[in-house]
Amino acid sequence: DVKVTQSSRYLVKRTGEKVFLECVQDMDHENMFWYRQDPGLGLRLIYFSYDVKMKEKGDIPEGYSVSREKKERFSLILESASTNQTSMYLCASRDSYTNEKLFFGSGTQLSVL
Amino acid sequence: GNSVTQMEGPVTLSEEAFLTINCTYTATGYPSLFWYVQYPGEGLQLLLKATKADDKGSNKGFEATYRKETTSFHLEKGSVQVSDSAVYFCALSDGSNYQLIWGAGTKLIIKP
Repeated sequence: DVKVTQSSRYLVKRTGEKVFLECVQDMDHENMFWYRQDPGLGLRLIYFSYDVKMKEKGDIPEGYSVSREKKERFSLILESASTNQTSMYLCASRDSYTNEKLFFGSGTQLSVL
Repeated sequence: GNSVTQMEGPVTLSEEAFLTINCTYTATGYPSLFWYVQYPGEGLQLLLKATKADDKGSNKGFEATYRKETTSFHLEKGSVQVSDSAVYFCALSDGSNYQLIWGAGTKLIIKP
């Protein structure tokens, strides 16, 4: 089975901490995404990577950065966590040739206190 | 710009009831349309899709028809089960970039 794995299901951090969310996919996909999911707002794209070391800002990149040093791994970094970053974070990957179907991880519920 | 509007939830139904979750969209050109489903504690997974007008996507007893004249892609199922309880997301891709445009999601609760 194809898989997108996010490192933590639940995470609790304090305001001001640097937070790393890790995502690994085993499908050799070029494209990887970080979304945040909030009730009533659907999914909002934070960052997108179309290949190793390549990234583009999504709709809400402020307060976040990303790293893609290897094809299978895409990391989301909260430089200084704030309470308004409490959310569900979803990682996804996609084959750039089919360009349609996204494969999602099961999400990381981050609470910033 | 492109947008997707879904009916607000939660939608609560009894087992074996008929389901409709409304989705309408605004887009230029000829977008592809999708329904994704998120079961409790899981990530989203593609349920069905349609890539051109009048196409019908179907999977697991769910269906949706791409209606260009009404800019709609409503999700239907003839007889729901408790296991269909989930959050359903409508989305579109206009093919011009990497982005999917997402609806807000509709939570479906099926009672036995």
